[in-house]
Amino acid sequence: GENVEQHPSTLSVQEGDSAVIKCTYSDSASNYFPWYKQELGKGPQLIIDIRSNVGEKKDQRIAVTLNKTAKHFSLHITETQPEDSAVYFCAASRAAGGANNLFFGTGTRLTVIP
Amino acid sequence: KAGVTQTPRYLIKTRGQQVTLSCSPISGHRSVSWYQQTPGQGLQFLFEYFSETQRNKGNFPGRFSGRQFSNSRSEMNVSTLELGDSALYLCASSVDTSGGYTDTQYFGPGTRLTVL
Repeated sequence: GENVEQHPSTLSVQEGDSAVIKCTYSDSASNYFPWYKQELGKGPQLIIDIRSNVGEKKDQRIAVTLNKTAKHFSLHITETQPEDSAVYFCAASRAAGGANNLFFGTGTRLTVIP
Repeated sequence: KAGVTQTPRYLIKTRGQQVTLSCSPISGHRSVSWYQQTPGQGLQFLFEYFSETQRNKGNFPGRFSGRQFSNSRSEMNVSTLELGDSALYLCASSVDTSGGYTDTQYFGPGTRLTVL
């Protein structure tokens, strides 16, 4: 099955700096890569996603890049703010006969220092 | 549009008991997936239901089961609870996962199950 690795496990940045979280996946058939943000006591919230036919996607301060050849994708957050502090999860999935469950990375705890 | 709702939010049970958790998907969403989240194993897929049928299943023992009703609401059941079943159980809904295209999954707040 799919194996998703995520680094780093913890990340501290100064407010206003950028944060980068990286993930690799093992299944070359994976074609959908969402990123979720989870705050304490809440469920994961989708922040951005990318499909395998696109190399980069941006939404305001958040961007995701995908390198299918190297099988890795990254989350970039610019101009970080204290409210960006949370645990971020990457995931990978491939749609095959209805089997589209998400395989998650182990999470990155991001702390933005004011 | 209301998000995914899960009830109850917190549950305490003892070993050997069984438990039923409920999930109401976003209106119009037909697929419901369940995930278990623990500090040690992270987020793991349990099963997915679509049109009242289990379409996909993760690597969990048969003590974990689920069902989906005609209004797309779903329940999951865990029988003969073990200490290791303590976890946050998350439900996610998507519009339609009919194959060939992974739809975006939206998560509920989860049910925190503690087994004593």
